This record gives sequence, C-alpha cells and structure tokens, in this order.
Amino acid sequence: GAVVSQHPSWVICKSGTSVKIECRSLDFQATTMFWYRQFPKQSLMLMATSNEGSKATYEQGVEKDKFLINHASLTLSTLTVTSAHPEDSSFYICSAVGAAYSNQPQHFGDGTRLSIL
Amino acid sequence: AQRVTQPEKLLSVFKGAPVELKCNYSYSGSPELFWYVQYSRQRLQLLLRHISRESIKGFTADLNKGETSFHLKKPFAQEEDSAMYYCALNSGGSNYKLTFGKGTLLTVNP
Repeated sequence: GAVVSQHPSWVICKSGTSVKIECRSLDFQATTMFWYRQFPKQSLMLMATSNEGSKATYEQGVEKDKFLINHASLTLSTLTVTSAHPEDSSFYICSAVGAAYSNQPQHFGDGTRLSIL
Repeated sequence: AQRVTQPEKLLSVFKGAPVELKCNYSYSGSPELFWYVQYSRQRLQLLLRHISRESIKGFTADLNKGETSFHLKKPFAQEEDSAMYYCALNSGGSNYKLTFGKGTLLTVNP
C-alpha cells in the first residue's frame, strides 16, 4: 500500500513555457502532500506543503507565483512551473501523508526530471 | 530552527565490514527521527524510524538525546547496501514535515 505516482517522469521544454507535474496517491487519501526540489548530488529541499482544499504553504525563498501548487482532491496535487527558465531545471519530488497512515511518515514519488532548454 | 547534519558526504567500506553513517540533529522540541534510503534510480523509501526501535535489513539506529545523534549502523555491510542515505527529522508533528540532512552516499566494495 501507500503508492505515490508522479507524472511525467521526465520533461524537456523550451524556456518560457509552463510545465505541470502531477502527484497522485494511488491507494490512499493524502491529507498532506509535499513538494521538494533536488539538485544533483544534493539533498532534498522542501519547496512547499500542500493540504487538500487550502492554499499551499511555501518555504522561505520559494516564489509562490513561479511554482503554483494545487491540491484539489485528496489524491492529486499538481506543481506548475510557470514561465520556466534553465535555472528551474532540476529534479522535483513529491511525497504524501495519508489519513489512513496517520502514524506513517511521508511516502515518496519517483520524481520528475525537468530540463529547460 | 531545526537542523540535521550528516557530516560524511561519501562513505566507502568493504563487504563484511561494519558501517556507521552519522547523523546529528538540532531541535528544540521532542525529536522524531528517521532514516531514508535511495537506491540507484529508485524512489526514497523509509528505512528506519527511531520510535520503532527495529532492525531493517540489518541496520539499527539509536536515538541519543544527550549527544543529539541518530547514527545508522550495520555490523556487516553488503554490496546491496550501496545507496544514498538520508537522515530526517519530523518538525511538523502529525503533518510529518521532514527536515532532511544532505545525505551520505554509501559504497560497499566487493
């Protein structure tokens, strides 16, 4: 149980376009989802915490208008990188915490590699 | 503010040797600590949590509040243990907002 699916796994796009990344909890309802960014050979940097039906809470230094997060249902959260530039190229990972797994820590997706040309 | 420190970026041992991955934390509240592992090309997965006090894949970790440490240990390393290991601190209560260390890349040589 507790499977988190991320889509797409890899995306390449031109500078200036917007890219949407989906994070789904496949077999549980996720009360909270987290979005991370991971640079090569570095740790995960928390970008934002997303709760279903409410606005995401962003970490200091993360631009809200740049990284739009929507958590419209208990099984889906999306991260949209707006007007992407090469410096936004990174590995983005989502994770989820479920009510049914209230004593379990986060379950992670496989990540999305974003490359902006 | 909370902080997790993993002083070793890289750790290399031979198969059968003991291994210890260090983790120190800084947190004003009551800490809840975890070890996550990321094998090559796979997602992050939970290895251990301190409240379980269990051994997974031969690994153990004991919370030492006096030394603010949560080191991961295994008496006899195996090649399949080669992976990236992250120590994490729950600073979000039931929300499980985790603060991660920078990670240690463990390589077990044959």
